[in-house]
Amino acid sequence: GAVVSQHPSRVICKSGTSVKIECRSLDFQATTMFWYRQFPKQSLMLMATSNEGSKATYEQGVEKDKFLINHASLTLSTLTVTSAHPEDSSFYICSARYGGGYGGYTFGSGTRLTVV
Amino acid sequence: AQSVTQLGSHVSVSEGALVLLRCNYSSSVPPYLFWYVQYPNQGLQLLLKYTSAATLVKGINGFEAEFKKSETSFHLTKPSAHMSDAAEYFCAVSDRNSGGSNYKLTFGKGTLLTVNP
Repeated sequence: GAVVSQHPSRVICKSGTSVKIECRSLDFQATTMFWYRQFPKQSLMLMATSNEGSKATYEQGVEKDKFLINHASLTLSTLTVTSAHPEDSSFYICSARYGGGYGGYTFGSGTRLTVV
Repeated sequence: AQSVTQLGSHVSVSEGALVLLRCNYSSSVPPYLFWYVQYPNQGLQLLLKYTSAATLVKGINGFEAEFKKSETSFHLTKPSAHMSDAAEYFCAVSDRNSGGSNYKLTFGKGTLLTVNP
């Protein structure tokens, strides 16, 4: 139970284009989802927290106009990297809370974004 | 503010040897603590979590961790390492009284475990 599906697993795009990453909760309703960015051999950096039906809360230093987050339903959150540049190349991971209270956190399998 | 410190960015053990990955936390309130494992180009998989029940927590794949409040530690151990245990391990803390923080997880920097044959 508590499975999150993240798609695509890998994407290569040209500089200046936009890329959308989807995160779906398959067997539970995810009121809150989190988006992380991970640089090679480093820890996860929280980018933003999204709550269904409301605006995402971005961490300090994260450009909200570049990283658009939409959480329109209880099972889907999306991250759109707009006008991507090579420095946006990274591994992006979504996560969702489940089980109520501090039940736990489940993670997607990640998306490797390469901007050329 | 809460924080997590993982001592040792890289731990190398021989197959069959004890695995010990260290994690110390800082939190103003009693925390929830987690250990996750990450294989290359994959997401995170939960190994175990502490949520204020038993201080010795058993997880998957033979791993366990002990919550020691006096030492603010939550070290991860496994009696006998397998080659398949080679991966990156992350300790994380979640504040119980998150207020408006939506129960954010704070991660340590990670420890890469290599297992030598």
